[in-house]
Amino acid sequence: DIQMTQSPSSLSASAGDRVTITCRASQTVSKYLSWYQHKPGTAPKALIYAASSLQSGVPSRFSASGSGTDFTLTISSLQPEDFATYYCHQTYNNPWTFGQGTKVEI
Amino acid sequence: QITLKESGPTQVKPSQTLTLTCTFSGFSLTTTGVGVGWIRQPPGKTLEWLGLIYWDDDKRFSPYLKTRLTITKDTSKNQVVLTLTSMDPADTATYHCARALRSAEGYFFDYWGQGTLVTVSS
Repeated sequence: DIQMTQSPSSLSASAGDRVTITCRASQTVSKYLSWYQHKPGTAPKALIYAASSLQSGVPSRFSASGSGTDFTLTISSLQPEDFATYYCHQTYNNPWTFGQGTKVEI
Repeated sequence: QITLKESGPTQVKPSQTLTLTCTFSGFSLTTTGVGVGWIRQPPGKTLEWLGLIYWDDDKRFSPYLKTRLTITKDTSKNQVVLTLTSMDPADTATYHCARALRSAEGYFFDYWGQGTLVTVSS
């Protein structure tokens, strides 16, 4: 299995802060990497696909980069509605796997 | 507007079979490049991909659940059904269905249901 390791596991930030989350794969996933935002009790929301493509309707303060084994998700100016848990996800190899999540809190 | 919603029992007993239905709207599972997958999240843990059915009825399963998991589709009803046999307390989780969309670099889940919590307990 491809292990997806996110760092940090959690972070405290304030509105307006720039936040960066990293995701490292245990072997290459090319660009078969997506990012999701999840708030408890709600449907996860797709933010990024193909490592760096912004999903339709997602604010431009979200951006991402990377390929191979190292990826980053950046929120340029954190908004109150961005406090959530973020997951990276690879669909390069079966089984598709998720990172352990990064909780962004105040 | 694309929506997906999971339905089924909230509790099953150990050794029983779980059947969940994903009812979706706003897209067709006959469209090339589209699939519906199942993902679960045990309490306090990360997301776990279970399996996927594609528009052409091809299927992919996690090797850890392959012997217990069945996924079928009814395109006329816009539904996908998950069946998981031999349920164990370790299968307690919130179960989500999600639309899988093919991009230039593989599939991703662009729309998700909010999930249904299934508890396995006697």
